[in-house]
Amino acid sequence: GQQVMQIPQYQHVQEGEDFTTYCNSSTTLSNIQWYKQRPGGHPVFLIQLVKSGEVKKQKRLTFQFGEAKKNSSLHITATQTTDVGTYFCALSYSGYSTLTFGKGTMLLVSP
Amino acid sequence: SQTIHQWPATLVQPVGSPLSLECTVEGTSNPNLYWYRQAAGRGLQLLFYSVGIGQISSEVPQNLSASRPQDRQFILSSKKLLLSDSGFYLCAWSRNLAVEGGEKTQYFGPGTRLLVL
Repeated sequence: GQQVMQIPQYQHVQEGEDFTTYCNSSTTLSNIQWYKQRPGGHPVFLIQLVKSGEVKKQKRLTFQFGEAKKNSSLHITATQTTDVGTYFCALSYSGYSTLTFGKGTMLLVSP
Repeated sequence: SQTIHQWPATLVQPVGSPLSLECTVEGTSNPNLYWYRQAAGRGLQLLFYSVGIGQISSEVPQNLSASRPQDRQFILSSKKLLLSDSGFYLCAWSRNLAVEGGEKTQYFGPGTRLLVL
């Protein structure tokens, strides 16, 4: 079956520092999605990447899809306390109705 | 616009008692529906998903079951709760690929926090 690895599991940064989480799949993906879950809340869709090598930006967040469509990253520039939460990648494979979620990266930002 | 509701928001139940969690979606038709469980500080475990009324796929064998009596209603049940059933239960919906094609983006409900004592 499909395997997904998301690293790191946890990261604590000072406000203003950058943050990156990585997601790797054992097999080629159809597309990849990223979600954010605030403490005590539910996962919220952030973005979907479909094309090989695709890069998308949302303000201070940069999402990248690998050339081989097997890995992805989420980079946050100059973190703010509002960035606190757990970031999940969700992998979509051709022919499957479901998404395979990574275990998530918990981000803590100290002021 | 589409909305998804879950209730109750929190629940404390004794071991061995039954469980019924309900999820309803508004503003869309024939959605795919999903039940996830999240242990404290952990990832999302897919429990069940449904692509239509009466169609349930189970991802993890356990003492839980799911039903979809109506198009936009998804119910998670148990006859006898175990301590290990404690967790955060999330319902989600996505557009039906067979009907609408394209993305599998999932939209989550607010969740139910279940504590089994």
